[in-house]
Amino acid sequence: DAGITQSPRHKVTETGTPVTLRCHQTENHRYMYWYRQDPGHGLRLIHYSYGVKDTDKGEVSDGYSVSRSKTEDFLLTLESATSSQTSVYFCAISDDRAQPQHFGDGTRLSIL
Amino acid sequence: AQTVTQSQPEMSVQEAETVTLSCTYDTSESNYYLFWYKQPPSRQMILVIRQEAYKQQNATENRFSVNFQKAAKSFSLKISDSQLGDTAMYFCAFSAGGTSYGKLTFGQGTILTVHP
Repeated sequence: DAGITQSPRHKVTETGTPVTLRCHQTENHRYMYWYRQDPGHGLRLIHYSYGVKDTDKGEVSDGYSVSRSKTEDFLLTLESATSSQTSVYFCAISDDRAQPQHFGDGTRLSIL
Repeated sequence: AQTVTQSQPEMSVQEAETVTLSCTYDTSESNYYLFWYKQPPSRQMILVIRQEAYKQQNATENRFSVNFQKAAKSFSLKISDSQLGDTAMYFCAFSAGGTSYGKLTFGQGTILTVHP
């Protein structure tokens, strides 16, 4: 299995609080992605990174920011969490944009 | 923008039988990749099979095969000799080539239940 660790695995927080999710990889892959999974929508891309300090927006980026200061870490931040951001969040990595992505185990985030 | 549609929210099959999951997509790209991912109750996302659009030959991986119809923009997954462990949500996904950086667009998913 690809070495991808997401933390935390579960989190419950309140509306208006900041939240940071971490994705850590040991594969030295260049590309990293954050998706959210909601019923009826499959997975939707939030942000992605194609190298250290190189990031860009995906389909559903409003309310989210990311940072990648090291190859192995990709952080997703909700500056002020809202109930609509309750979801399961997946990190994915790939070593080439033409190659399949390998996914972490997901973080279940509940915002009350 | 690309779209991926899975028109079967749920499917069921008896163990050892064959089942086909449907996927259609819409794109103006000529160079792209298509994937099927499996998500069992454990929530892991597991790659099942991959198809490059420039290859006419349909991809196969053991009991899993695809029927790729480029002109019709159709990419169905056939599972032969279904096993109880195939019970999962299946997602079809699309990735454009070029400078898209491998961004995936997913369908809504099909829940497959294999009955003993």
